[in-house]
Amino acid sequence: QVQLQESGPGLVKPSETLSLTCTVSGYSISSGYYWAWIRQTPGKGPEWIGSIYHTGSASYSPSLKSRVTISVDTSKNQFSLQLTSVTAADTALYYCARPRDSSTRYDAFDIWGQGTMVTVSS
Amino acid sequence: DIVMTQSPDSLAVSLGERATINCKSSQSVLYSSNNKDYLGWYQQKPGQPPKLLLHWASTRESGVPDRFSGSGSGTDFTLTISSLQAEDVAVYYCQQYYSLPHTFGQGTKLEIK
Repeated sequence: QVQLQESGPGLVKPSETLSLTCTVSGYSISSGYYWAWIRQTPGKGPEWIGSIYHTGSASYSPSLKSRVTISVDTSKNQFSLQLTSVTAADTALYYCARPRDSSTRYDAFDIWGQGTMVTVSS
Repeated sequence: DIVMTQSPDSLAVSLGERATINCKSSQSVLYSSNNKDYLGWYQQKPGQPPKLLLHWASTRESGVPDRFSGSGSGTDFTLTISSLQAEDVAVYYCQQYYSLPHTFGQGTKLEIK
């Protein structure tokens, strides 16, 4: 059974960098899939941040592209999110997720972590 | 970006009655080469991540009750719950995965009348 678990600081100061890690169990990241980060603010729909393949090929939301880096560490079976220059608008519940199909980034997400809340505040 | 707009924002339906949620995309999400609509529906309950109910607009995920069904093509889609159960109280989202960035609707909150 594939499981995803987000981890990282729950509080980040404005202008600093948000760093989160998603640990995958039950499946080897090296075997495929475009692993994704998605965030959600209370009362709103989810927002896709970006996705990464095990080779390191990544795609990002244009609205966040200048501040986002997603990386993968196959030796630890993890992938990570870095978001720079954060503001209060980046306060959200951050999820990692996996799409249904192992070979495409154009698919719905059928496996999600439980999410981790990140608050941006001084 | 493709904008996904759901209606209504909230909905109250009696137990055993039909619930209908609409989703409209700002451009077609039908991929002509395979005739598939790149549209998914999710259910989210408080304190939980979204759960995928349907993909390709109308294909149910394994284990999803058959009272959930999806219809529509191109830009207009509908999620129907044929006979509302108490456990269906949740927020429902549509998502397009036709093009990047993936985008979601704003959500429809479904309650019991």
